[in-house]
Amino acid sequence: NAGVMQNPRHLVRRRGQEARLRCSPMKGHSHVYWYRQLPEEGLKFMVYLQKENIIDESGMPKERFSAEFPKEGPSILRIQQVVRGDSAAYFCASSPRGTAPLVEAFFGQGTRLTVV
Amino acid sequence: AQSVTQLGSHVSVSEGALVLLRCNYSSSVPPYLFWYVQYPNQGLQLLLKYTSAATLVKGINGFEAEFKKSETSFHLTKPSAHMSDAAEYFCAVTHTGGGNKLTFGTGTQLKVEL
Repeated sequence: NAGVMQNPRHLVRRRGQEARLRCSPMKGHSHVYWYRQLPEEGLKFMVYLQKENIIDESGMPKERFSAEFPKEGPSILRIQQVVRGDSAAYFCASSPRGTAPLVEAFFGQGTRLTVV
Repeated sequence: AQSVTQLGSHVSVSEGALVLLRCNYSSSVPPYLFWYVQYPNQGLQLLLKYTSAATLVKGINGFEAEFKKSETSFHLTKPSAHMSDAAEYFCAVTHTGGGNKLTFGTGTQLKVEL
């Protein structure tokens, strides 16, 4: 059973370009969380999704950021018109259920976005 | 609202010495608390979690943590450090109904010296 797969592992974008980050949850997991880790900081919650639904996007910046988790395929975190401040590590976590922290969420290895 | 404070962004210990990483939390509701470890360029791995059962929680790799409500603390300890313990450690909090929407501390970088 493969773990949470994130790709690409490293992504370089020029200012103004779009960044697409992909997360394939563990098999059987239908809940996905995205976190962002800025340099020298802890992880910050961004968004929580179930298949085809955004459950909680309270941590998402109001502009340029969007996320989806379609019925088929990976979850996508999309950042439009990237700026240098978007440079960070973006982590995805998945769990089979979302309501109970008794059920562990498994983290991927992250995508390290560098905006030049 | 919930928050986590990790005192000491860098901790250095000698191999074989006690490891103590501090975590204090703030929560208006009963918390669930976690410790994660992150090795360079890797994702986070769960070390242990407190979910209102026993206050002394044992985790992987010989780590344990004790939930102290009176002190709002959840410090991580290991009796004897090993070189392979060098990594960054994060304390995190959530609550009933919070699911896996975690609030993380800023992390403590553990260095283990010979």
